[in-house]
Amino acid sequence: GAVVSQHPSRVICKSGTSVKIECRSLDFQATTMFWYRQFPKQSLMLMATSNEGSKATYEQGVEKDKFLINHASLTLSTLTVTSAHPEDSSFYICSVPTGTVNQPQHFGDGTRLSIL
Amino acid sequence: QKEVEQNSGPLSVPEGAIASLNCTYSDRGSQSFFWYRQYSGKSPELIMSIYSNGDKEDGRFTAQLNKASQYVSLLIRDSQPSDSATYLCAVAGRVAGSYQLTFGKGTKLSVIP
Repeated sequence: GAVVSQHPSRVICKSGTSVKIECRSLDFQATTMFWYRQFPKQSLMLMATSNEGSKATYEQGVEKDKFLINHASLTLSTLTVTSAHPEDSSFYICSVPTGTVNQPQHFGDGTRLSIL
Repeated sequence: QKEVEQNSGPLSVPEGAIASLNCTYSDRGSQSFFWYRQYSGKSPELIMSIYSNGDKEDGRFTAQLNKASQYVSLLIRDSQPSDSATYLCAVAGRVAGSYQLTFGKGTKLSVIP
C-alpha cells in the first residue's frame, strides 16, 4: 500500500488563486519531508525541505513567500502556492525520507497544478 | 553544485532488444546511485540502486557503476513496450540526517512493438 499520500492529484484554477497541497506520511514519523517541482520534459527539482516544528529550508531561487510550507506534525506537510500564476503550473511531488540508503525516499503520487 | 547529466533522448528500441541508458555525475565523492522509472503524469518509481563499482543485476535490469569515470548506466534486456517511460538517474547525498537526491533530466525510452 501507499506509504505517502498526496492530495489533491489534480488542480485547475484561475490565476490569483492560492492552492494548498497536502503530503501525509502513512508509515513513518517524518521530521523532514521534501517538495519537488517538475516542469514538462524537465527533471525533478528540489524546492524545499520541510522541517517539523521549524521553518522550511528553501533551495536557491525558490521564493519562500510564494511557496508556503507548513510541517505542523510528524505526519503532515503542506505546500501552499500563493497567488498562483500560469508560470506556476507544474507537477509538484512530495517525498518522505526513509533514513536508509537502499530506498532513500518514498514519493507521493504528485499533484498536477494547472493555472488558467 | 552537484550535477547529474543524461541524454534526454528519445531512445527508441525494438521490442526484445537491449536498451542502454547512461548517466554522468559531477560530485566525485558521491556514494549512492539510483535509477527511477517515471511514467507520464506519475511520480518516480525506484527500480535499481548501486553503490559499488561493477554490475548489479535484478531481473531484466542491470546497473553499472564506474566511479573513476563518474558514470552510471542501466541496461534493460528483452525490452517490453511496458518499459516505455522516462528513466531518471539520481545521486544521493547525506544532508542533516536525510538522503537528498539530485536527479538528471531523464531519458525517454520508447520500446517499439
